[in-house]
Amino acid sequence: DQQVKQNSPSLSVQEGRISILNCDYTNSMFDYFLWYKKYPAEGPTFLISISSIKDKNEDGRFTVFLNKSAKHLSLHIVPSQPGDSAVYFCAAFTGGGNKLTFGTGTQLKVEL
Amino acid sequence: DTAVSQTPKYLVTQMGNDKSIKCEQNLGHDTMYWYKQDSKKFLKIMFSYNNKELIINETVPNRFSPKSPDKAHLNLHINSLELGDSAVYFCASSQRGLTEAFFGQGTRLTVV
Repeated sequence: DQQVKQNSPSLSVQEGRISILNCDYTNSMFDYFLWYKKYPAEGPTFLISISSIKDKNEDGRFTVFLNKSAKHLSLHIVPSQPGDSAVYFCAAFTGGGNKLTFGTGTQLKVEL
Repeated sequence: DTAVSQTPKYLVTQMGNDKSIKCEQNLGHDTMYWYKQDSKKFLKIMFSYNNKELIINETVPNRFSPKSPDKAHLNLHINSLELGDSAVYFCASSQRGLTEAFFGQGTRLTVV
């Protein structure tokens, strides 16, 4: 039973444009949502997070939006840069469970 | 100075062998994890330790035995390796109560 889903395995965007990565979840008990970025042969690195009581969090070029009623979150990257090309994982956290539940990832390719 | 380091990075071994993967973190965190990324790129938690105490065991076969000699180390020992154990194993750490986890670079285990 996959509680966190990323339905787009890949996304291709031109440099300078906006990248929008989507994530859906089923467990309403999740407290926090996080985005991780992963380059080949490296571990995931934390990018940005949002509490379940907020609907938006912004950090530089990265903004995460949360729609609790739809159980949906998205990561916006603007402007997209070639160095953003990586796999992006959506993850959800329950304080009680003390663990991260990951989606399957979206491969983002930013083209020149 | 690497925050979460795991060794080895690559491990190729025959079926039936026993192998260990080591993990160390220098972040002063009290919680450490092992995650498995399978061939479908799905990142799934296996174990979580808090202050050397096992707090999460996600129905992993008992051929997998984590060992935490102290807060900064969490090793994974695997007995009687099977072909299906081939995957990338990630160690991670966090401070309990905080959501962000820091990951090692991964160990690619190939069982032949």
